[in-house]
Amino acid sequence: EIVLTQSPGTLSLSPGERASLSCRASQRISSRFLAWYQQKPGQAPRLLIYGEGNRATGIPDRFTGSGSGTEFTLTISRLEPEDFGVYFCQQYGSSPLFTFGPGTRVDV
Amino acid sequence: QVQLQESGPGLVKPSETLSLTCTVSGGSMNDYFWSWIRQTPGKALEWIGYIYYTGSVNYNPSFKSRVTISIDTSKSQFSLDLTSMTGADTAVYYCVRGEITIFDSWGRGSLVTVSS
Repeated sequence: EIVLTQSPGTLSLSPGERASLSCRASQRISSRFLAWYQQKPGQAPRLLIYGEGNRATGIPDRFTGSGSGTEFTLTISRLEPEDFGVYFCQQYGSSPLFTFGPGTRVDV
Repeated sequence: QVQLQESGPGLVKPSETLSLTCTVSGGSMNDYFWSWIRQTPGKALEWIGYIYYTGSVNYNPSFKSRVTISIDTSKSQFSLDLTSMTGADTAVYYCVRGEITIFDSWGRGSLVTVSS
């Protein structure tokens, strides 16, 4: 099983600042099979980034996904107040077919 | 825009079977994978399994002996049966539409508590 580790656990930043969220995999995975989700309190997760840095429909370009091998990063270039929430990374391809990281909480 | 809605009991007794149904509206079930994902009180997300619109299934080995996912495309529904429920199965259960590697549309979630 591929284990995903996310850091930091919590990120407290101000609007306008840059956020860098890390997702580390216990084995190499293709960047095509790494995705990011945002979850706000009381809501379901929402797909942000998939494939090789593709943004999902309606996701603003301040969200960028990058990385390869075992190290992946979600960058939010200029934080907006609505960007608070928990961010999860997810991998596809190893048994179990899908696993998620534990999440990084962003407080804005 | 596709919408998914979970339905089922909010309370299940230990050792009993959880049955949830997801109703899909606003889009076809064809060409998509339909998953159940749960989120425990500690907030971890866990994929339970999926069913393709053709009826082909793939389950997380952690659940394989207890889980059955079925689909009825004529009713735009798919379902989850999870047997031998314990307190560790208390969670929010989401029904989710996916493409082969990602989950692109989620239901609002259904809180299931296991308690006598």
